[in-house]
Amino acid sequence: GAVVSQHPSWVICKSGTSVKIECRSLDFQATTMFWYRQFPKQSLMLMATSNEGSKATYEQGVEKDKFLINHASLTLSTLTVTSAHPEDSSFYICSAIKRGGPGDTQYFGPGTRLTVL
Amino acid sequence: AQSVTQPDIHITVSEGASLELRCNYSYGATPYLFWYVQSPGQGLQLLLKYFSGDTLVQGIKGFEAEFKRSQSSFNLRKPSVHWSDAAEYFCAVGAGGYNKLIFGAGTRLAVHP
Repeated sequence: GAVVSQHPSWVICKSGTSVKIECRSLDFQATTMFWYRQFPKQSLMLMATSNEGSKATYEQGVEKDKFLINHASLTLSTLTVTSAHPEDSSFYICSAIKRGGPGDTQYFGPGTRLTVL
Repeated sequence: AQSVTQPDIHITVSEGASLELRCNYSYGATPYLFWYVQSPGQGLQLLLKYFSGDTLVQGIKGFEAEFKRSQSSFNLRKPSVHWSDAAEYFCAVGAGGYNKLIFGAGTRLAVHP
């Protein structure tokens, strides 16, 4: 099946620094990727839609200046958490849309655990 | 507003027993419905999806789900649970297009030997 990877799988950073998380579709091209945030023992919350070659679309309540998304190629989207604070600590998950067949299929990455000290 | 409710936060079953995980949705139009499973260290894996047609949907790993419009439900079932089925299960509805997903809170399944 299709594979989506994330790097790093976990990161610890100091408050005030920026952290970049990569999401790659390894064996297919994805014009659309999504970024989710998952709090402990809670559901996934959609943060933004990442479209290759255009600006990301953010969900209501998500600070676009805090969470910078770049979808520079058909296989890579990045999420940069700028000036991270402890409340940004969370599990970040990306997904990529593989088009074709009877409906697109959304494949998820394994997630990145961010801890801000 | 669209929403998904999974009433059971945690369920424990014995290996070999049957399983039903509940999911209720709120959506104005015909919903696109999904069930995903999340295991530690792995990405969410699609078990099955419903777009239209037959309301009983077969998925991978022996799972099935039934769409009941009158009850706004999409419950997941498996006739005989295996220890490897222990994981977190998420129901989701496609909003604004079937790719934009709204997830339920998840149900954590534990399997006793």
